[in-house]
Amino acid sequence: AQTVTQSQPEMSVQEAETVTLSCTYDTSESDYYLFWYKQPPSRQMILVIRQEAYKQQNATENRFSVNFQKAAKSFSLKISDSQLGDAAMYFCAYRASNSGYALNFGKGTSLLVTP
Amino acid sequence: SAVISQKPSRDICQRGTSLTIQCQVDSQVTMMFWYRQQPGQSLTLIATANQGSEATYESGFVIDKFPISRPNLTFSTLTVSNMSPEDSSIYLCSVEGSGGAVTGELFFGEGSRLTVL
Repeated sequence: AQTVTQSQPEMSVQEAETVTLSCTYDTSESDYYLFWYKQPPSRQMILVIRQEAYKQQNATENRFSVNFQKAAKSFSLKISDSQLGDAAMYFCAYRASNSGYALNFGKGTSLLVTP
Repeated sequence: SAVISQKPSRDICQRGTSLTIQCQVDSQVTMMFWYRQQPGQSLTLIATANQGSEATYESGFVIDKFPISRPNLTFSTLTVSNMSPEDSSIYLCSVEGSGGAVTGELFFGEGSRLTVL
């Protein structure tokens, strides 16, 4: 079974600064997807960024980027120029590449953004 | 992408009763996933619902407690039966987007927050 580990229950960052959220995972598969989802207090799960395991290039979406280390099974999220609206729970998730498989989520990291 | 509507958004229920949550998607999808998120916790998969067949339940979840219907490709229901306070959670419906296995991402409804007294 695949497991996803987020070792930081809470993180804090000042507005305009940069913060990195950690995620490691365990799998025997060679092809899979990794995701970071954001869940604000409204509880809507919002996709932040995705990474296909076969791609060596790290994914980037505006202020959000990942550091994907396949050999180390590490998938960290970097948020640059943090904004108050970034405050939320962030979940790292793994999904096998075959359609029909569900997402496996980590326990989440609560991000606090201070003015 | 996919737009998912869940009903009810929230409800307060009495111990021993049952409640059915509806999930409506704006496009036809093969697989629908039901998740539970207990207070302050992550999302745990309850079951996978495929149209025209029995739902597949994860370890720790059984059909008698969480019966699921999947009558067509745009709709599913999850019933929480004989509720106890331990069932107080957010229940989320999730589907693949139109990209399916190409993009891999799942889309989520806003969730149904159940409180059992």
